[in-house]
This record gives sequence, C-alpha cells and structure tokens, in this order.
Amino acid sequence: QVHLVESGGGLVKPLGSLRLSCAASGFTFSDFYMHWIRQAPGKGLEWISYISGSGTTISYADSVKGRFTISRDNANVYLQMNSLRVDDTAVYYCARAQWVEDHALDSWGQGTLVTVSS
Amino acid sequence: ETVMTQSPATLSVSPGERATLSCRASQNINNNLAWYQQKPGQAPRLLIYGASTRAPGIPARFSGGGSGTDFTLTINSLQSEDFAVYYCQQYNNGPPWTFGPGTKADFK
Repeated sequence: QVHLVESGGGLVKPLGSLRLSCAASGFTFSDFYMHWIRQAPGKGLEWISYISGSGTTISYADSVKGRFTISRDNANVYLQMNSLRVDDTAVYYCARAQWVEDHALDSWGQGTLVTVSS
Repeated sequence: ETVMTQSPATLSVSPGERATLSCRASQNINNNLAWYQQKPGQAPRLLIYGASTRAPGIPARFSGGGSGTDFTLTINSLQSEDFAVYYCQQYNNGPPWTFGPGTKADFK
C-alpha cells in the first residue's frame, strides 16, 4: 500500500535552513504529483508546494516562494527550506495527488515538526 | 487565489445525529472539491473528492454534494469516531490549491 514517511524536522534558528525528506513506497512514484502542506500549531492546513512526476512542473505558495525549493528523485520528495522565519513553525506533511491533474490528496505522511525559534 | 470559507466553525452534535457542514468558494471551482477529516495528532484523511465521490474505504454515512461555489458534507448518524476537524480543499483554480479553515465536529 501507499506509504509516505517524512523526516528532517527539528528546531532551527530564524534565518536558518532545513531540508525535509519524504520517502515514498507502494506505488509508481514517477507517475504522481507530490505536494507539501503545512499546519501551524492549532491552525488549519496551508498548501505550500507541488512537483510533477517528472519534476518539470513546480509551484509554490507566495508565503514560501524564493525561500523554499521542492525537488524529487526516484523515491523521495524533498523540501529545502532557507531563510526560515518564526511563522514557518508547523507540522509539514507530504501528500500524493491522486491522479495527474487531479490534486485531491489521497495519501499523506504522518508529518514532521519544524520549529523556528531563537 | 480562490478563497475557501467553511461554516460553522464548530458544530455541536450528539452521536446518532446528522451533521451538515458547508464550504463555499470565492469563485467557480466546478466540482473540483475534496473533503478531509483530521483527528488530533493525525494527518488528514481524504473522505470525498470530485465534490461527491467517496474515497476508498470511506463509510457510506459520509456524503458530499454541490458544485460551482457551494458545497456540503453530510455525515449521517454520527459515530464517536467522526468527531474531528473537517477541511474542504479546492483543486480547480490553482496553484495555489486552497483549503478552508475547517469545521470542528464536537460533542454536544
């Protein structure tokens, strides 16, 4: 079955960097768009980035554009986060879009917590 | 950007009752709407996609409706495990793919 496991979260100081990873298994990874969504403590869900199966289509929310970079390889999707701010503190989830050009998210990882604090 | 709103923010219901949750888009999203359930400490789970199609394994007491800008999620005969936060998400106009702020289904 589909399995997504995030890692790489932790405590980082403002303006620091962190790289999140999401290991995927149980499906043909290259066939699916992958997304990153975050959830600040006690808040709702915020879509932040996605990448196509081939890696050629990428987009970002305005809140992270220019600071975060999404990428992927054969079985992982990554989120490089630079110039981190206190308001980037959140649980970060990776999720799979269920079909090409259908961005309902049918599988989610368990999330990894990023805390930005001095 | 398509802004999603949900009402009510909190819905107080008793087990066995019907719950109706609303979601509205700021512009037409056709039927490209998903509903997710999130329990404390867990990742969201896809319940409904295409506004009205249940995801695999989702019980029949969950149903979705609507198109265009106004949508509903109905939970018939609420079970104890259904007390959670529910989010809608549009995936018609994007990126960005936007979520509503959520509705919490709470014990009355």
